[in-house]
Amino acid sequence: AQSVSQHNHHVILSEAASLELGCNYSYGGTVNLFWYVQYPGQHLQLLLKYFSGDPLVKGIKGFEAEFIKSKFSFNLRKPSVQWSDTAEYFCAVNPASGTYKYIFGTGTRLKVLA
Amino acid sequence: GAGVSQSPSNKVTEKGKDVELRCDPISGHTALYWYRQRLGQGLEFLIYFQGNSAPDKSGLPSDRFSAERTGESVSTLTIQRTQQEDSAVYLCASRRTGTSGVDEQFFGPGTRLTVL
Repeated sequence: AQSVSQHNHHVILSEAASLELGCNYSYGGTVNLFWYVQYPGQHLQLLLKYFSGDPLVKGIKGFEAEFIKSKFSFNLRKPSVQWSDTAEYFCAVNPASGTYKYIFGTGTRLKVLA
Repeated sequence: GAGVSQSPSNKVTEKGKDVELRCDPISGHTALYWYRQRLGQGLEFLIYFQGNSAPDKSGLPSDRFSAERTGESVSTLTIQRTQQEDSAVYLCASRRTGTSGVDEQFFGPGTRLTVL
């Protein structure tokens, strides 16, 4: 069965530290990849997405993610986190073969200490 | 409205009661999803509507769960004879089209359901 793994369930960082959140998926075909973020008290919103082309995609608020096809990974990165990045981050995969299904990971809770 | 709205935002009910959750998608969005998010878990797909096509109900966990959508507008998720394990946040999302993965999903704020 298709699945998405986010190995880091809780991450605590100090401000200005670098961030990398892992996301691995199991699906052999072409995929569309997403990172969503949920700030405290707010609804899920799109952080960035990958469909094709440059495997390094840039999103809002200085976030970026790199699609490594050989590793079935789509890790999220930010060089220097801020307190306002405290949120829960979800990775999602959508098989590109015309299906509408999205498979979400279990999420990573990030806490940034001021 | 500009975004997806859901009501109520919070619902506390007693075991055995029926509940109805509502979702108003973004105007013009043909695709609509319902998800369930239990504490500490990811989003669990429940049901998908695309225009006037038959919905994909494959994610509904039991026959106590049902959902309807009126055309390309409002959707309601009904849970009958609620159980404590139904306690979760129920999220609705809409998408402009149903066939292209290029379009992202836009999520509502969710309804937090607590079954006592």
